[in-house]
Amino acid sequence: QVHLVQSGAEVKKPGASVKVSCKASGWTFTSYYMHWVRQAPGQGLEWMGIINPSGGSTTYAQKFQGRVTMTRDTSTSTVYMELSSLRSEDTAVYYCARSLRPLVVVTAISHWGQGTLVTVSS
Amino acid sequence: DIQMTQSPSSLSASVGDRVTITCQASQDISTDLNWHQQKPGKAPKALIYDASNVETGVPSRFSGSGSGTNFTFTISSLQPEDIATYYCQQYDSLPPTFGPGTKVDI
Repeated sequence: QVHLVQSGAEVKKPGASVKVSCKASGWTFTSYYMHWVRQAPGQGLEWMGIINPSGGSTTYAQKFQGRVTMTRDTSTSTVYMELSSLRSEDTAVYYCARSLRPLVVVTAISHWGQGTLVTVSS
Repeated sequence: DIQMTQSPSSLSASVGDRVTITCQASQDISTDLNWHQQKPGKAPKALIYDASNVETGVPSRFSGSGSGTNFTFTISSLQPEDIATYYCQQYDSLPPTFGPGTKVDI
């Protein structure tokens, strides 16, 4: 059974960085691309980027280029999303999500993590 | 980037009603479309992929159709547990983009 378990809520000051983890289980970790999507309070869903857990290659949304870094640890089947230079507008719930089909970068999303609330406040 | 629009933005219906949501893409995306359900305070859940394929375990009252730029999501008989916001999302090309959502109430 597919499970995505994310790290707990974070409170950060403006200018700081946050690193959110997403531990995967229930499938061969290196076979499925992983997305990060965020949702500001009361708003819709915003795609941030994608990582290939096999080779570690990434593609980021233009909006987050230079501020986001996605990595993975194959030994623990965990993907990470680090966002730097935080500002109040980054207050949001951050979700990891798994792709539907193996080894395909552009495909449907099939499973979501439970979300991690990141609050940016002075 | 491909822009996704949805209508209506919200709707209120009665238990047992048929509910239809439309989604439009700014360019041809073939059938590269997800529908996600998000209940209040919860993570999204994928319901439909490839525009019309229902995920395993999803009740049969949920269905999707369409191709190209115009898509439809239908709940054949609305149930109280279907109260949620529904999002379409294209994955024809990067970046994947989401519609603004349709909030369904009873």
